[in-house]
Amino acid sequence: AQSVAQPEDQVNVAEGNPLTVKCTYSVSGNPYLFWYVQYPNRGLQFLLKYITGDNLVKGSYGFEAEFNKSQTSFHLKKPSALVSDSALYFCAVRDPGKYIFGTGTRLKVLA
Amino acid sequence: DGGITQSPKYLFRKEGQNVTLSCEQNLNHDAMYWYRQDPGQGLRLIYYSQIVNDFQKGDIAEGYSVSREKKESFPLTVTSAQKNPTAFYLCASSIGQGLHNQPQHFGDGTRLSIL
Repeated sequence: AQSVAQPEDQVNVAEGNPLTVKCTYSVSGNPYLFWYVQYPNRGLQFLLKYITGDNLVKGSYGFEAEFNKSQTSFHLKKPSALVSDSALYFCAVRDPGKYIFGTGTRLKVLA
Repeated sequence: DGGITQSPKYLFRKEGQNVTLSCEQNLNHDAMYWYRQDPGQGLRLIYYSQIVNDFQKGDIAEGYSVSREKKESFPLTVTSAQKNPTAFYLCASSIGQGLHNQPQHFGDGTRLSIL
């Protein structure tokens, strides 16, 4: 069965510094991977996806993610964090008929 | 604008009462999903439907029921058999039709509380 893991419950980063939110995956076959962001009392918003091709995927709001097949990772990155990036981030993988989500990582960007 | 509408935003249930959460989408998506989110936890799949008049149980279907009579609607009923229903409920949709590379679209959730 497909699965994803987000090893960090919370990540703190200073405003202006680069940020990384980690995700590792376990799939059989080609992975279809996604990142979402959730603000308080809102639904999830899609940020970016990896299907095939370039290992560096660019998405919304300046976010990007690096797909690494040998390390089975799909880490979310941003070169310069903003206070407004503070939110809950979810990694997900496509499973037949449905999607499997990680447990989420809370990102706090400190001013 | 296309999207997913969940209503109501807040809902209160008395003990022994069934309540129904509404989810409507105008994205022309085939697949729809219901998730439960508890504080500090991730999303847990309750039910999903890949096509009208068909749905499957997710990981935590006990105490819940759904119907999919129309493509745009996927209501969730929280029955009295669900002993701990207090949670944030999220509805989502995706294109489906075997298009595995497409993301889900989410509504803004319904927060259910016990009186």
